[in-house]
Amino acid sequence: GENVEQHPSTLSVQEGDSAVIKCTYSDSASNYFPWYKQELGKGPQLIIDIRSNVGEKKDQRIAVTLNKTAKHFSLHITETQPEDSAVYFCAASTGYGGSQGNLIFGKGTKLSVKP
Amino acid sequence: DAGVIQSPRHEVTEMGQEVTLRCKPISGHDYLFWYRQTMMQGLELLVYFNNKAVMDDSGMPKDRFSAKMPNASFSTLKIQPSEPRDSAVYFCATSIGVNTEAFFGQGTRLTVV
Repeated sequence: GENVEQHPSTLSVQEGDSAVIKCTYSDSASNYFPWYKQELGKGPQLIIDIRSNVGEKKDQRIAVTLNKTAKHFSLHITETQPEDSAVYFCAASTGYGGSQGNLIFGKGTKLSVKP
Repeated sequence: DAGVIQSPRHEVTEMGQEVTLRCKPISGHDYLFWYRQTMMQGLELLVYFNNKAVMDDSGMPKDRFSAKMPNASFSTLKIQPSEPRDSAVYFCATSIGVNTEAFFGQGTRLTVV
C-alpha cells in the first residue's frame, strides 16, 4: 500500500522567512496530494492541494510543487507569520475505491514561526 | 452549515467499558471517514463509508471496534471493550467525493484509564 514520508518533523523559522516541508510517496498510482494545517485543539484543515496533471500550484503565500518522476512533493510558505505556526500534514491518494481510495497522511511537521 | 459535528469532545472511561463516538456529517457529503490520531502513529484511517456503505475497514481492529452509518446524517464508532492503548483523538471527516477536500470535525479526545 501507499506510504508517505514527511520531513522535517519540526521546523523553526523567523517571521518573514520561508518554510519548506517535503514529502515522498511510494505508490506511483497516487494522483491527489493535499496539505492540511492543524492548529492546537482543532481538526486538520485543507490549505492547498495538487493533482498529478499539475507540477505547481500557488495560493497567495503558499505553493506546492510535485515531481511525479521522483515521487515527491513539497509545501512552500513565504513571508511566514506567527499565525502560520501549526502542524502541517501532507497526504496522498490514488482516488480509487476500496482500500486505495484512502488519504494516507505523513506524520506531520510542527512549524514554529518566531516573531 | 455548522461543519462536521462530533460528540462528545472529551471522554474518560475505565478499561473494559464501552465507548461510543458520534459524528454528524456535512449535508450532501457522501463520504465519511473515521481517523485516529496519536503522537506515535499520526493520523490513521480506521474506516470509511460511501453512501452509508463501508468501503474499507482494514485499519480498524474488528475484534473491539465497530462502525455504523444508519443514515446519511449520522455515524457511530464503538469500542467494546476499551483498552488504555485506545487513548487517542478520534476524528470524523466528510467529503463530497474521492480526491476532494475532506472536512474534519473537532475530534473526540478519548482517555481510557
